Amino acid sequence: KNEVEQSPQNLTAQEGEFITINCSYSVGISALHWLQQHPGGGIVSLFMLSSGKKKHGRLIATINIQEKHSSLHITASHPRDSAVYICAVKSARQLTFGSGTQLTVLP
Amino acid sequence: KAGVTQTPRYLIKTRGQQVTLSCSPISGHRSVSWYQQTPGQGLQFLFEYFSETQRNKGNFPGRFSGRQFSNSRSEMNVSTLELGDSALYLCASSQWTGRELFFGSGTQLSVL
Repeated sequence: KNEVEQSPQNLTAQEGEFITINCSYSVGISALHWLQQHPGGGIVSLFMLSSGKKKHGRLIATINIQEKHSSLHITASHPRDSAVYICAVKSARQLTFGSGTQLTVLP
Repeated sequence: KAGVTQTPRYLIKTRGQQVTLSCSPISGHRSVSWYQQTPGQGLQFLFEYFSETQRNKGNFPGRFSGRQFSNSRSEMNVSTLELGDSALYLCASSQWTGRELFFGSGTQLSVL
């Protein structure tokens, strides 16, 4: 079993839809990162969370430490949100990544 | 403020050769970490440096090594290249360990 599980692996949505990507982990962590990767490889950090909830524009990230679960929400999705979204957990020794969620938002 | 700079952007090597990749962090950032990304394994942590000291190392063979200089710039070296080392190598910098990460564009290494 992977230490970090993301779901779904692929997600296609219509423009304007509300999107949720989930991340579950099995190890003790100090923080959880949500990353966005566009074609060509560039990775952008969206959020770093250790508890609660953070919001930035149309993006919202939540984490439940007791449940070992985090969600990334995108409200009013737009085609420019199309990318791979990656969850990564920071333990004492290293950063462990989920396999990513390929999001496609259709106009 | 300039972002994280990785050089070279693309590299082609043959099996058995060695390669050195460079990463210049954002000015003022003292932590640099390295990652390997492949289609099969996804993103994997290689190592993390802070103030010229390796803080953590991922599960990679000893052929993978790195170092950090006093100006926080970092290099990683892969010796005796294998076909399976073909990957996108990414570095990220942060002000301190455990803080928000800023990624470079990566070095795409192809081993023939």
